[in-house]
Formats: sequence, structure tokens, C-alpha cells
Amino acid sequence: EVQLVESGGDLVQPGGSLRLSCAASGFIFRNYWMSWVRQAPGKGLEWVANIKDDGTEKYYVDSVKGRFTISRDNAKNSVYLQMNSLRTEDTAVYYCAVSGDWGQGTLVTVSS
Amino acid sequence: SYELTQPPSVSVSPGQTARITCSGDALPKRYAYWYQQKSGQAPVKVIYEDTKRPSGIPERFSGSSSGTMAILTIYGAQVEDEADYYCYSSDSSGNVWVFGGGTKLTVL
Repeated sequence: EVQLVESGGDLVQPGGSLRLSCAASGFIFRNYWMSWVRQAPGKGLEWVANIKDDGTEKYYVDSVKGRFTISRDNAKNSVYLQMNSLRTEDTAVYYCAVSGDWGQGTLVTVSS
Repeated sequence: SYELTQPPSVSVSPGQTARITCSGDALPKRYAYWYQQKSGQAPVKVIYEDTKRPSGIPERFSGSSSGTMAILTIYGAQVEDEADYYCYSSDSSGNVWVFGGGTKLTVL
């Protein structure tokens, strides 16, 4: 059974940084693309970024390009999202995802 | 940028069939996924790869795809199926993903 456990969400001031982590189990991690998606309070779902199985390709939604970086460590079965220059509109629950399966999410709140 | 279009709302009576559509130019070449999100809960996958149903999802949930449209059909909708439903797919490159705007299903 696929298990994805996100961590690292917190309250941060605008302009600040945060690193999210996702620990994966129940599948052969190194064989799969991984994604981050998010949902702002009261809003719809938004795909944020994904990374190829070997880490050589990364793609981002336009609103986070240049600010967020997705990475992975196949030895640790983990994927990360480094978020810099955070804005209030980045406030959301962030989910780690693989092949349509998601974790329970971690809350990021950007506020002064 | 690529977009998936869903109706904002669908309303049916209990026991009726609910159909939720999702249109996108790349859907003839890319799989669609469907998620159900009940109030205050994390989304749950109800259909993947256009037509497949995860274990534990009731048989009344069915997915189909034709041309530029993916369809989620709920046969004999129940009150407990009231939720927001989102389609999810990628653009023609397969690298950039997007959600539809979501459809609020009302069963009453």
C-alpha cells in the first residue's frame, strides 16, 4: 500500500523560506515521478511541481517558478519542496503525490 | 497555459445518475483522474487512468473518455456522494499537470 507522509509545514512570514519533506513507502520509489499539489483555504486544487524518477527533469506551475525547487533522494525514499520568497497566496495545504495517490498533507501558512 | 474545464455544479435527486464532465484538448492522449473531496477532508481518488476504479470505491462510480472529454458518472447517486469533484490530467507533453476547477455535486 502506498504511503506518503508530508512534514515541514509551518507559519512563516512573507518573504521567508520553508522546506517540505515527504517520506514514501509501499512502492519502488526510484521508479516513479513524484509531485506536489496544494489547496489554498476554500479554493480548488492546484498542481505545483513534479520531478522525474531519476531527478533529471523538473516542472513547475508558472506561479512558483524561480521560487520553489523540487528535489528527491532515492536512497531515502523522499521528495522535498524548497519554498523561497513565500507570499501570502502560497498559504495552502501541500500534498505529496505519486500516480494519483496522495498523503494527508501539511499546512503552510504565510502571514505576518 | 493548459486548462481543464468542469461545470461549477451538478444537482441530482437520490438514486439518479450524475454525470460530471471535464474537457481538455490533450485528453485524447492523456489519462484523466478524478478526485472526490468532502467538506473538511483530503481528496480521495475515485477514478484513475480514465476508467479504473481503486479498491474500496463503490461500483456506482464509473469513468469514461471520448475525444476531448472525460466523464465521471455516478449511477444511483447517494446523499453521501455530495462533494466537490476534480478532474486531473496533463498537457500534451505529459510534464505539466492541471486540475479542473471542480464541480460541486448536490444530491437532494
